[in-house]
This record gives sequence, C-alpha cells and structure tokens, in this order.
Amino acid sequence: DGGITQSPKYLFRKEGQNVTLSCEQNLNHDAMYWYRQDPGQGLRLIYYSQIVNDFQKGDIAEGYSVSREKKESFPLTVTSAQKNPTAFYLCASSTEQGGYGYTFGSGTRLTVV
Amino acid sequence: GQSLEQPSEVTAVEGAIVQINCTYQTSGFYGLSWYQQHDGGAPTFLSYNALDGLEETGRFSSFLSRSDSYGYLLLQELQMKDSASYFCAVGRAAGNKLTFGGGTRVLVKP
Repeated sequence: DGGITQSPKYLFRKEGQNVTLSCEQNLNHDAMYWYRQDPGQGLRLIYYSQIVNDFQKGDIAEGYSVSREKKESFPLTVTSAQKNPTAFYLCASSTEQGGYGYTFGSGTRLTVV
Repeated sequence: GQSLEQPSEVTAVEGAIVQINCTYQTSGFYGLSWYQQHDGGAPTFLSYNALDGLEETGRFSSFLSRSDSYGYLLLQELQMKDSASYFCAVGRAAGNKLTFGGGTRVLVKP
C-alpha cells in the first residue's frame, strides 16, 4: 500500500546534538513538506520541496536543514541551533496540484533533554 | 502574513450537529482545506473548497465564502469517533503550501 513512512516514532536526544528524522514516500508525489506541531497548537511549515534537488524555507526554518536527493525521500535535520526542538514533527506529501490533499506520515515525537 | 482563526474547543453530544468556523487573512489564496487529527495521530484530509459554496462528503460538509474570508466545517450525526481536533488550512500560492489554523478540539459526549 502507498503511504508515507516516518521513523523513528519516538526519539530522545541530548541538548546540543544534531538529529535527523527520516521521511520516505512511495506515492510518487512531487512535493514534500515538513511541519512542526507543539502541544495543543496547529502545524507550522519548516521546509518544503517541489522537485528533487530543490527545497525552500517555510515559516520556521531556523535551526533546521533538509535535503531532497531522491523523489521518495525528504530527511529533516534538527540542528543544535534550534532553540526549542522538542515537538511533534510531521512529514507530508502531495501531487504538485493536488487540491491541497496532503498525505501525512504518522509523525516523529522528538524530545531533547 | 497569514492568519487563521477557529474556536479552540467545542463539546456536543452524540447525534448532534457541530459547526466549526474558520476566518482567515492571507495573500495568494487558493482554497480552504479541512483536516482531522486524533490524539497522537497524523492529520487526515477531509475536504477542500476552492470556490464559494457547500461541499458535502457523507456526514461532513464544508463551506467557503471568499468574499468574507470565511469557511466552516459541519459535522452531522456526531459519533464518539468524531472526537478529535479539526484544522482549517489555507492554500497559498506556488508550492502548494498550506498554512494551518490552531485547531478546534471537538469532544463528543454520550
């Protein structure tokens, strides 16, 4: 079945360490997105990519980095420069003109201690 | 910039009807989407309105008025499984980007 896989589901890191969150899709979607969700709040866009080898900053890109070397994969690195990294991270994909029907992965809950 | 306003919480009983309003301010508006998210889960797509009017999908309907920068999601014949958070999201220009509202938590009681 087609879908988006995020791993791991839970991740614990010490403060000051970089950590990379995985996102893989087999939907053949062109566009992929990373959102951050804090408890009781909405989703905020970190980075997005419309095609391979190209990506743009979203609304809260500081302290994060991404790559898009393959259509299927869009990993997110949370760097030590991110001031408050503990959050729920959601990856999504869509066809470029998909009527905004995003498909989301099940998320990675990152806790930095 | 972009902003979306929706109520933070709504409580209703099984079988009732709930309307979740969403007002927005944005540039480059393409359409209004609605997503459902159960606690700890991923958001799932419910509906999308690009033009004014009502879109019906089973027990859920969504409405858009572009001139009023306003839309709503209507949940009918509420069931316990409808207890979740509901987000409106505005589609922006190139890149198919979505800006999400803060979410409305719907609690369905027996």
